[in-house]
Amino acid sequence: SYVLTQPPSVSVAPGKTARITCGGNNIGSKSVHWYQQKPGQAPVLVIYYDSDRPSGIPERFSGSNSGNTATLTISRVEAGDEADYYCQVWDSSSDHHYVFGTGTKVTVL
Amino acid sequence: QVQLQESGPGLVKPSETLSLTCTVSGYSISSGYYWGWIRQPPGKGLEWIGSIYHSGSTYYNPSLKSRVTISVDTSKNQFSLKLSSVTAADTAVYYCARDFMVRGVKFLDYWGQGTLVTVSS
Repeated sequence: SYVLTQPPSVSVAPGKTARITCGGNNIGSKSVHWYQQKPGQAPVLVIYYDSDRPSGIPERFSGSNSGNTATLTISRVEAGDEADYYCQVWDSSSDHHYVFGTGTKVTVL
Repeated sequence: QVQLQESGPGLVKPSETLSLTCTVSGYSISSGYYWGWIRQPPGKGLEWIGSIYHSGSTYYNPSLKSRVTISVDTSKNQFSLKLSSVTAADTAVYYCARDFMVRGVKFLDYWGQGTLVTVSS
């Protein structure tokens, strides 16, 4: 089955840029979506279709996807961005199911 | 605004069946979309369990398929999850969500707050 790999943790200073990667075999041929999950809360969709933002998500959140890596970028990081982030694809190649990445903990220093 | 709310027992005994219901407000399930269940063991990542359409059409995570049943009650605007023969490994926060599909691509755009289910005797 399809596997998505993320770094366990990323640390960033306030005001700087955080980049969270999501690795998968030829992931650039798929659409990648990203969720933010703060402690004790449900996940929130922050990026869909690689780079689109749902209503209400700040422009500081952006995404890209090419080759074997998709990236979520958070510009001008704020303390409130501290959370776990998960990438996700829809694997329609075999059993048709959701695949989530392993998750990345973003720590704001 | 679409809202989802999970409900059900917070404690289930090993070998028994876990049963949860998700109540949807702000949107009629009969109007379309799939509706799904996702779980998250304490301190771990997200795992999709399965999804259902208002017609009753379902698809499940292959790793759980033998133990999962998802059903829908459009008259109550609810859908439900049953997971049989549970063990401690099924202890998790269970979320329901709207399963959004456009142009062959799927993601989860609205989520419930989640409910913790503990499997223990």
